[in-house]
Amino acid sequence: AQSVTQLGSHVSVSEGALVLLRCNYSSSVPPYLFWYVQYPNQGLQLLLKYTTGATLVKGINGFEAEFKKSETSFHLTKPSAHMSDAAEYFCAVTLGTSYDKVIFGPGTSLSVIP
Amino acid sequence: DAMVIQNPRYQVTQFGKPVTLSCSQTLNHNVMYWYQQKSSQAPKLLFHYYDKDFNNEADTPDNFQSRRPNTSFCFLDIRSPGLGDAAMYLCATSREAGSYEQYFGPGTRLTVT
Repeated sequence: AQSVTQLGSHVSVSEGALVLLRCNYSSSVPPYLFWYVQYPNQGLQLLLKYTTGATLVKGINGFEAEFKKSETSFHLTKPSAHMSDAAEYFCAVTLGTSYDKVIFGPGTSLSVIP
Repeated sequence: DAMVIQNPRYQVTQFGKPVTLSCSQTLNHNVMYWYQQKSSQAPKLLFHYYDKDFNNEADTPDNFQSRRPNTSFCFLDIRSPGLGDAAMYLCATSREAGSYEQYFGPGTRLTVT
């Protein structure tokens, strides 16, 4: 069965600094990977996803993530943090077949310091 | 704009009093999901519909039921809410199951008094 871990339940960065949110997965076969963002009292919104092909995936709001099979990782980065990036971020994995549900990681809360 | 709509956004119910949360979608997606999310936790899948086929998670309490009368609407019924059922309830849709991304509604925050 697949699983997701996110190192660091809370990350603080200064405005303009690099954002790095870590995600590692466990899966017996290559998975499909997602990053979602959740603002307070809102639903989740897809930032980006990896299915097949290019391992560097670009998403909305300047975020990108790189699928590294050898490291079983899918870390999320953004070169320069903005105050509006403060939110909860969830990494998610699925094997992709119709009977596989999406497994969400525990989430990382990102704070941006002015 | 195509979207997932949840009503109400905030719901207060009394201990043991049945409550129904609603979700509608204009995306014409085949799959609809209900998640429970407690503070500072990941969403927990309760059940999902693939078209009319209902799929219950093994650990979803019997207290939680769902109905999908048509493609656009899905309801979450909590038959006898307990204090532990206070949470954010998220509805989501996807075009198909599997690798397709999910589109989430804004959620309904349930308070049990």
